Order: sequence, then C-alpha cells, then structure tokens
Amino acid sequence: QITLKESGPTLVKPTQTLTLTCTFSGFSLSTSGVGVGWIRQPPGKALEWLALIYWDDDKRYSPSLKSRLTITKDTSKNQVVLTMTNMDPVDTATYYCAHSLGLVIKWGWFDPWGQGTLVTVSS
Amino acid sequence: EIVLTQSPGTLSLSPGERATLSCRASQSVSSSYLAWYQQKPGQAPRLLIYGASSRATGIPDRFSGSGSGTDFTLTISRLEPEDFAVYYCQQYGSSPAFGQGTKVEIK
Repeated sequence: QITLKESGPTLVKPTQTLTLTCTFSGFSLSTSGVGVGWIRQPPGKALEWLALIYWDDDKRYSPSLKSRLTITKDTSKNQVVLTMTNMDPVDTATYYCAHSLGLVIKWGWFDPWGQGTLVTVSS
Repeated sequence: EIVLTQSPGTLSLSPGERATLSCRASQSVSSSYLAWYQQKPGQAPRLLIYGASSRATGIPDRFSGSGSGTDFTLTISRLEPEDFAVYYCQQYGSSPAFGQGTKVEIK
C-alpha cells in the first residue's frame, strides 16, 4: 500500500522560503519509472501542478514557477523535499505530494495523493 | 502549455441521474494522456480515470471516460449520493495541467 504525507510550516511570512517534505512508503524512488510530484490548491480554487522528480533524478518544474522552485529526493529516507522561494500571500494553498509513474513517457497521472498540508502566507 | 477548460462549472442533478462532464484542451493531448479525479470537501483528489478511458483500481463501473485529441468526457451513469463532489481533468502528455473543475451538486 502506497502512502504519502506532507510536512512543513503552516505559516510563513512574505518573502520567506517555504520548505516542504513528503515522506512516503510502499514504493521506492530508485525504481525505474517512479516519480513524486507536488501539486497545490488555493482555498476554493483549482489544482496547480508544481514539480516532479523521477527515480533517475530527472526534475521537472511548472514553467510559470520554475525560477522559485527546487525539488530534491533522499532515496534512503523515502523523502522528497520542495522549496519555494519568495513566498507571497497568493501562494497560500494546500500543498499535496503524490506518487506518479512515468513508464512510456516521463509524465503521468498522480495516484495516490497525500492528505495535503495548508500553508498560509501572512505577516 | 496546454490549457484545459472544463464545462459546465456546476452541474445540478438528482441521485440516479446521468452526469456528463466535459474537458476541452487548447491543443491535442498526446496519446489520450488524460486523467480524471474526484475531490470531496476537505479531502485529497482521488484518481478515477487514466489514459482517457481506463478506470483506476477500485473505481465503480458507473464511472467511464471517453474522448481523444482535444475533447474528453467523464460520464457517471447513475449518480450515487457519494458522487456529489468536484471533478478535475488533468493532461500528462506534456507539462501537467489541470482543468478548473466541475462541481456536481445535488439538485
């Protein structure tokens, strides 16, 4: 059974850097085809994909947020870390991590998802 | 970058009725790399459909997906009380993108 759980601060100040950790079980990020992605959802709004990292350390970012995002993995700890710089109140959202498979192409659907963590950006 | 537009924004139906949700892409989605998710309040999204028409594990057969190119459809043949939720489409033929969602509410 695959499970994922997000952790990190619930409140950050504008201009600060957000660091979120996704801790997972039930799969290995060293297995060919496996990836972990981050997706966010502002309150009452739609989902927005942020970043993906694959078993071979290939990293993909949303074009609109690429300059602010960094995704890394620690295979030994079963963790993926997302950092987002220069946080703004518009970045207030629930941040999800999710398992993905890039078998034929290095993009895929997300299944399953973590429970999400709400991050509020406010001074 | 592909933009997905879902319609309608809200669908008001009664239990037992058929729901038809649309997802239109701004350009062709490669090899029908399109997924559908269900999200209930306070919960994470749940995968329903991938590859435009393949049901995910454990998803009831009242959920079906169809379409190709730029036009995709999620159909719920007979709405159950637990199906009232928000539904999102996502393309993964290129940089992932989600639609803005369709809310299926009780009439």
